[in-house]
Amino acid sequence: EVQLVESGGGLIQPGRSLRLSCTTSGFTFGDYTMSWFRQAPGKGLEWVGFIRGTSYDGTTEYATSMKGRVTISRDDSKSIAYLQMNSLKTEDTAVYFCTRPLRGITGAFDIWGQGTMVTVAS
Amino acid sequence: DIVMTQSPDALAVSLGERATINCKSSQSVLYRSNNRDYLAWYQQKPGQPPKLLIYWASTRASGVPDRFSGSGSGTDFTLTISSLQAEDVAVYYCQQYYFTQYTFGQGTRLEIK
Repeated sequence: EVQLVESGGGLIQPGRSLRLSCTTSGFTFGDYTMSWFRQAPGKGLEWVGFIRGTSYDGTTEYATSMKGRVTISRDDSKSIAYLQMNSLKTEDTAVYFCTRPLRGITGAFDIWGQGTMVTVAS
Repeated sequence: DIVMTQSPDALAVSLGERATINCKSSQSVLYRSNNRDYLAWYQQKPGQPPKLLIYWASTRASGVPDRFSGSGSGTDFTLTISSLQAEDVAVYYCQQYYFTQYTFGQGTRLEIK
């Protein structure tokens, strides 16, 4: 069974940094681009960024609104994707989801984790 | 970035009746070289992650009931639920993946009348 499990969320002060993890199982991790999304309380979905599969080139793309503050990385030996967020702001408060796309369709996401809540507050 | 706009924001439909949700993109998401529209639809229930319903604008994802259908091309798209069931109460989102700055509509809340 394909599974994605996010962890690392919690309450954090503005200006601090946080690294989220997405632990995966049930598929060949290195073959897939892994994306992160977020959803602020009561709001819609926002794409954060992705990291291409190592079988391709492992490069990253980020949402314009978050570029410079986030870094996505991956450890194929552990089948884990990471989201590093720096200089956190109160408006970064959201549930953060990692996702895996349909095979061969990088931008349509059929596998989602349950999400991890990040609350940025003093 | 491509702006996705859904209508209506909220919709109430009687059980067994048809529900229609519209999505308009600020630019075409039709890729002419393969004649595919890079448009997906998701369903999200409270406390759950989104569930992929439709991709390529009209292809149902695995396990999605055939009462869900997608149509449209270019900039105008529609998600139709042919006969609303109680379990379809949710928020529905369209999403474009034509550009890697993936963007979603604001969501449409579907309720039972």
